[in-house]
Amino acid sequence: EVQLVESGGGLVQPGGSLRLSCAASGFTFSFYSMHWVRQAPGKGLEYVSAISTNGGSTYYANSVQGRFTISRDNSKNTLYLQMGSLRAEDMAVYYCARMGGFGDFPLDVWGKGTTVTVSS
Amino acid sequence: QSVLTQPPSVSGAPGQRVTISCTGSSSNIGATYDVHWYQQLPGTAPKLLIYGNTNRPSGVPDRFSGSKSGTSASLAITGLQAEDEADYYCQSYDSSLSGWVFGGGTKLTVL
Repeated sequence: EVQLVESGGGLVQPGGSLRLSCAASGFTFSFYSMHWVRQAPGKGLEYVSAISTNGGSTYYANSVQGRFTISRDNSKNTLYLQMGSLRAEDMAVYYCARMGGFGDFPLDVWGKGTTVTVSS
Repeated sequence: QSVLTQPPSVSGAPGQRVTISCTGSSSNIGATYDVHWYQQLPGTAPKLLIYGNTNRPSGVPDRFSGSKSGTSASLAITGLQAEDEADYYCQSYDSSLSGWVFGGGTKLTVL
């Protein structure tokens, strides 16, 4: 079964850091670009970051540029999102998703999400 | 404010047909980038509903269809069912951002 499972969410103070993970199974992880999308409480979907199959290309939304770092370990079938200088507006459910390319393609498999709460 | 514009809400009675629009610009939908649609049922993760403007993944009923023209795209749902009540999002690629964008989402209510 094709599956993505996020972990690492939790409560963090403003200005703090957190690392999210996304474990992939059931498909050849290294063949797909991987993406993080978040959803603040009661709000819509927001693109956060993306990484190409070999990690050579990355994308960051303006709202997280310079604070978040996306990476992947193809030997472990795992995607990461290192989040720093966290703000209240980063509080959201973070989803990882796969894409069969790095461009004009859909996100065809999504994880169930992990919740990040930023509060003192 | 989202790069792609969707109506915040639409509604329809069971059995009826509804459409959800997604309006972009010359740097995304109008630049011939594909539009994809996602369905998010309450309390769940988004699910791919339509890809490449008009294509349905395996398992998606043919009651759902997509179209695209110029700088806009539409999702149509015919034969509305109670289980279709969800949030729907369009998504495309934007050349000016060199990245991906979502619409603000549309909440479908089945009356």
